[in-house]
Amino acid sequence: KAGVTQTPRYLIKTRGQQVTLSCSPISGHRSVSWYQQTPGQGLQFLFEYFSETQRNKGNFPGRFSGRQFSNSRSEMNVSTLELGDSALYLCASSLDGGVGNIQYFGAGTRLSVL
Amino acid sequence: EDQVTQSPEALRLQEGESSSLNCSYTVSGLRGLFWYRQDPGKGPEFLFTLYSAGEEKEKERLKATLTKKESFLHITAPKPEDSATYLCAVQAGTASKLTFGTGTRLQVTL
Repeated sequence: KAGVTQTPRYLIKTRGQQVTLSCSPISGHRSVSWYQQTPGQGLQFLFEYFSETQRNKGNFPGRFSGRQFSNSRSEMNVSTLELGDSALYLCASSLDGGVGNIQYFGAGTRLSVL
Repeated sequence: EDQVTQSPEALRLQEGESSSLNCSYTVSGLRGLFWYRQDPGKGPEFLFTLYSAGEEKEKERLKATLTKKESFLHITAPKPEDSATYLCAVQAGTASKLTFGTGTRLQVTL
């Protein structure tokens, strides 16, 4: 069974640009969550999607947005990139996002903002 | 606000030298505590879920325990391949989001 797939693995952008990251969940999983990982803050929750609807949102500015498609694949978008957005962006999928569900992570997309 | 604190930040062990990693938490309505392992350049890999105080789970050289305020990850006779960052996360209330600690970086040497 294939795991969570994130593309691309690496991205280099400049300040002010926008970026879109993609996540394909484990087959049969309908919930997708996104996390940002930085050396200083660790892993921080961005948002969760289930059945194409954002169900939960973390404390990030509106420049961070996402969506989910009918096949459960998800994308996240960051507009007007800032240097501080440089991070590893991780996607996790779970069966239905219910409490207690195990979240399985992808390898992440490493974003560098110059 | 949910808080998770892991200690120590880093731990260096010799092969075969057992030890424990600590994860203390402050949450309202704990629904689950999760342990993950993360290798450099990779995403977190699921290890255990604990749901209630007193629960214990084991896998190979690892054993996770849970009390009302903290969880321990015991590593018995570690090997160099156990070297990784170990992350603890909690799920609380009705939200599915995980709140993570900053991790313990474990290095096991020969």
